[in-house]
Amino acid sequence: GEDVEQSLFLSVREGDSSVINCTYTDSSSTYLYWYKQEPGAGLQLLTYIFSNMDMKQDQRLTVLLNKKDKHLSLRIADTQTGDSAIYFCAESQGGATNKLIFGTGTLLAVQP
Amino acid sequence: NAGVTQTPKFQVLKTGQSMTLQCAQDMNHEYMSWYRQDPGMGLRLIHYSVGAGITDQGEVPNGYNVSRSTTEDFPLRLLSAAPSQTSVYFCASSYPPIYEQYFGPGTRLTVT
Repeated sequence: GEDVEQSLFLSVREGDSSVINCTYTDSSSTYLYWYKQEPGAGLQLLTYIFSNMDMKQDQRLTVLLNKKDKHLSLRIADTQTGDSAIYFCAESQGGATNKLIFGTGTLLAVQP
Repeated sequence: NAGVTQTPKFQVLKTGQSMTLQCAQDMNHEYMSWYRQDPGMGLRLIHYSVGAGITDQGEVPNGYNVSRSTTEDFPLRLLSAAPSQTSVYFCASSYPPIYEQYFGPGTRLTVT
């Protein structure tokens, strides 16, 4: 079945770049997403990328997709303490049901 | 718009009790879904609906019922609560073809 894997924890210093990685197994994935969850809150969509794209940039966020290796990454430039959160990678095949398959989440800790 | 709202925020149940988790959205979204979030397991899809009167099972449907009588509401029912259902429950909605799912703030449920 479909599976999405992420490392559990990443620690960076404020001002550095953060790179959060994700691998997925479903080769028919159409959309790949990054969600952010702050403590005690719901999930907030940060960005998504279509499977026919290699890269997407949105302000401090850069998403890279290697479809051959089924590897997705999220780079946050100039990481701030407000970026501390859990980041979830997710994939879907789109369509009417648009079921999301989530990874386990990566806790990003930003040290001042 | 209020977005996606969930009630209650917190709930404690005894084993065998029943309850309904409420979810409502005011964005006229066709697609709604319920997820549960457990430590180290990411979010898993319980049930989803692609429109009023249409529901289907997700990855972990056992022990839960849903119905969708209106576009706005998608309640999740626990008929006989079990300790294994202790979790944080998130409701989400989206309007195809945008595919961005909006999440509610979550309900933290403890079953003793």
